[in-house]
Amino acid sequence: QVQLVQSGSGLTKPGASVKVSCKASGYTFTSYAMNWLRQAPGQGLEWMGWINTNTGNPTYAQGFTGRFVFSLDTSVSTAYLQISSLKTEDTAVYYCARAPRAWWFDPWGQGTLVTVSS
Amino acid sequence: EIVLTQSPGTLSLSPGERATLSCRASQSVSSRSLAWYQQKPGQAPRLLIYGASSRATGIPDRFSGSGSGTDFTLTISRLEPEDFAVYYCQQYGSSPYTFGQGTKLEIK
Repeated sequence: QVQLVQSGSGLTKPGASVKVSCKASGYTFTSYAMNWLRQAPGQGLEWMGWINTNTGNPTYAQGFTGRFVFSLDTSVSTAYLQISSLKTEDTAVYYCARAPRAWWFDPWGQGTLVTVSS
Repeated sequence: EIVLTQSPGTLSLSPGERATLSCRASQSVSSRSLAWYQQKPGQAPRLLIYGASSRATGIPDRFSGSGSGTDFTLTISRLEPEDFAVYYCQQYGSSPYTFGQGTKLEIK
């Protein structure tokens, strides 16, 4: 079955970097766009942007430029989200999600909680 | 950017009752490009409806979506205990793709 499995949650210090992975299985990885979304504690969902899994070209939503980088390793069907210069307000659950045809999201990874605290 | 406003914020109902959740857009959502998701505590969102009214694979037929333009509705015809969760609408007619703030469906 189509599945996205993300890396584990972690605690990081302000100013550090973190890299979240999202491994896809059950479908041809390069056939569908991969999206990244954020959910701050107790809050709603924000779309961060997407990466073209064919070309590797990323598109970032406003507010997610500069410190956020989407990348791929197509040899292992994995997408990555790297966040640098972490701030406490980056504390959130980060999800990857496939866009199956148009820009709805299905399925989602299980989520990775990134906690930024000194 | 299209802003989605969901109402009510919290809906208290009993199993067996009918739930009606609303999602209103700040401007028309093109081509009925609206999806609904269910999220339970500690879990990722799950796609219920896309294209305003098409059920995703494996979603029971007690879930139905309707609407167009700026007004959309998710209806759960007869609530089961597992339906109590937070529901989000999302528009994908224009980038950035945005979500409503959610409706919490709780047991009365």
